[in-house]
Amino acid sequence: KAGVTQTPRYLIKTRGQQVTLSCSPISGHRSVSWYQQTPGQGLQFLFEYFSETQRNKGNFPGRFSGRQFSNSRSEMNVSTLELGDSALYLCASSSGQGAMNTEAFFGQGTRLTVV
Amino acid sequence: DQQVKQNSPSLSVQEGRISILNCDYTNSMFDYFLWYKKYPAEGPTFLISISSIKDKNEDGRFTVFLNKSAKHLSLHIVPSQPGDSAVYFCAARTLSYNTDKLIFGTGTRLQVFP
Repeated sequence: KAGVTQTPRYLIKTRGQQVTLSCSPISGHRSVSWYQQTPGQGLQFLFEYFSETQRNKGNFPGRFSGRQFSNSRSEMNVSTLELGDSALYLCASSSGQGAMNTEAFFGQGTRLTVV
Repeated sequence: DQQVKQNSPSLSVQEGRISILNCDYTNSMFDYFLWYKKYPAEGPTFLISISSIKDKNEDGRFTVFLNKSAKHLSLHIVPSQPGDSAVYFCAARTLSYNTDKLIFGTGTRLQVFP
């Protein structure tokens, strides 16, 4: 079965612009979570969507937003980009039922560079 | 507040020897723990997990140990192979129907040399 697909793989944007990243989860998975990875910070949780609703949110400013569609595909948007937003953005797909032995599967990520 | 900590940013081990990666957590609500491995330019891949009702889980060369009283877990890789060279992330979650959210540590870069 197909894995988690993130597009685009690489992006270069200018400060002040906005960007939209896309994630297609594994078929049948209803939860999509987004994480930001920066050097020395590990993976920081951004938000989780389940059945088109945001059910968890991390400690990121309102410039970071997302949504989920009826087919479980998700998009993440960052507005008014800052240099510090340069990072690898990872999407994780999971069943959404919170049970054991249902680990999250990650996409390859989108590398965003803000110049 | 870093709820999951990996205090060793890097570890270097000779091929064939044991690699031990450590992880500490502060939130006593965590009841499920996972290890992910990440190569450059790829997303993390799941390695092994353990529930808080166990103190050990083994899968081939990988064993995870959990010490709940110390809020500490460790990943043992025996024997270590050059292909194990990657960044290893410890993650924790609270089993709940309302979330699949994971809290990650900052990672440990493992290098296995011949």
